[in-house]
Amino acid sequence: GESVGLHLPTLSVQEGDNSIINCAYSNSASDYFIWYKQESGKGPQFIIDIRSNMDKRQGQRVTVLLNKTVKHLSLQIAATQPGDSAVYFCAETPREMRFGAGTRLTVKP
Amino acid sequence: DAMVIQNPRYQVTQFGKPVTLSCSQTLNHNVMYWYQQKSSQAPKLLFHYYDKDFNNEADTPDNFQSRRPNTSFCFLDIRSPGLGDAAMYLCATSRARTEAFFGQGTRLTVV
Repeated sequence: GESVGLHLPTLSVQEGDNSIINCAYSNSASDYFIWYKQESGKGPQFIIDIRSNMDKRQGQRVTVLLNKTVKHLSLQIAATQPGDSAVYFCAETPREMRFGAGTRLTVKP
Repeated sequence: DAMVIQNPRYQVTQFGKPVTLSCSQTLNHNVMYWYQQKSSQAPKLLFHYYDKDFNNEADTPDNFQSRRPNTSFCFLDIRSPGLGDAAMYLCATSRARTEAFFGQGTRLTVV
């Protein structure tokens, strides 16, 4: 079936560096995409979203890029901090919300 | 203040003994979701409601049922839990095609 997937299961970065987490989706009907952060033992927490009529959206230290041509989504975190260490999921919403496989981000001091 | 509340946080049940997990929301959202999440995996959608319209995923086992008696409450019933049903169960709410808000989850242990 159609699904959302991620290219990299783990990512380790140095504190202060920028992080890029990627996601591929295959459901062409998806028109709304969300990035979530999940810390151990907690529910996912909203980071940023983007609709299909946009290519880029910026938040505080985070940017989401959407490439509809190749069905690719990325999350960029600027000046990564130890508190950013978590698992990051992308989710797509054609109607119901479905998650990709997740990337574990580890920030080294 | 918590907006999506799941009870209990931790649930231990015996193999084969029915168990119910609950979720409540104060956001008045029309969409509610139940996800199952196992260790180091993504949340897997079990069902969702658009208002009272129930939507079951094709691969959700018959052992899993859900009820939504009103906008605020939603329940997940596992009729005969097996060892493979041990997981974190996440409830989420949203308006249509907007961000979802998650509860803290219920960690289910089957003994």
